[in-house]
Amino acid sequence: SQTIHQWPATLVQPVGSPLSLECTVEGTSNPNLYWYRQAAGRGLQLLFYSVGIGQISSEVPQNLSASRPQDRQFILSSKKLLLSDSGFYLCAWSVAAGNTEAFFGQGTRLTVV
Amino acid sequence: SQQGEEDPQALSIQEGENATMNCSYKTSINNLQWYRQNSGRGLVHLILIRSNEREKHSGRLRVTLDTSKKSSSLLITASRAADTASYFCATDAAGSNYQLIWGAGTKLIIKP
Repeated sequence: SQTIHQWPATLVQPVGSPLSLECTVEGTSNPNLYWYRQAAGRGLQLLFYSVGIGQISSEVPQNLSASRPQDRQFILSSKKLLLSDSGFYLCAWSVAAGNTEAFFGQGTRLTVV
Repeated sequence: SQQGEEDPQALSIQEGENATMNCSYKTSINNLQWYRQNSGRGLVHLILIRSNEREKHSGRLRVTLDTSKKSSSLLITASRAADTASYFCATDAAGSNYQLIWGAGTKLIIKP
């Protein structure tokens, strides 16, 4: 069966520090991968998606970047965090674009102080 | 921009009652999905309804889709305390290029 792992669950980082959030998927090949951010009490904002190794599309300009070094690994990074980067980050995967369900990780609560 | 908009924003009902949440969207869609999110956790897929379907059932869940009104509803029958969560609709808008577009969600509280 397929599983998705996202870590860490919570993270407190000082302003200006780097960030690396990792997400891995097991039990499937060539998934579509997504990074979302969710503001408190709000819906999901798509940050990045990837349809294959090394293929990253960015949906919003921001202080973050994403990479897909392996088929089932998706990394969200920042060189220097801003206070506004605080939020709840969710990784997800799907078999095909939009026509099937998305499977989510448990999320990372990032607080930039 | 936000495609789906759920209403109400919050709903509090007694255990055993039915809960109805609505979602409206703006553009043509291929399908519409409903997800549940427990506080501080990831989202869990509940049900997907395609644009050529009008109603779908899964256990205590009933989803309807009215493409003429660009709206969907999620009905949870015989609610339980464990149904307390936020519920989101997401649309795969035609031509959206891999995106699911999300509403802001309905926060459902089931009082024991």
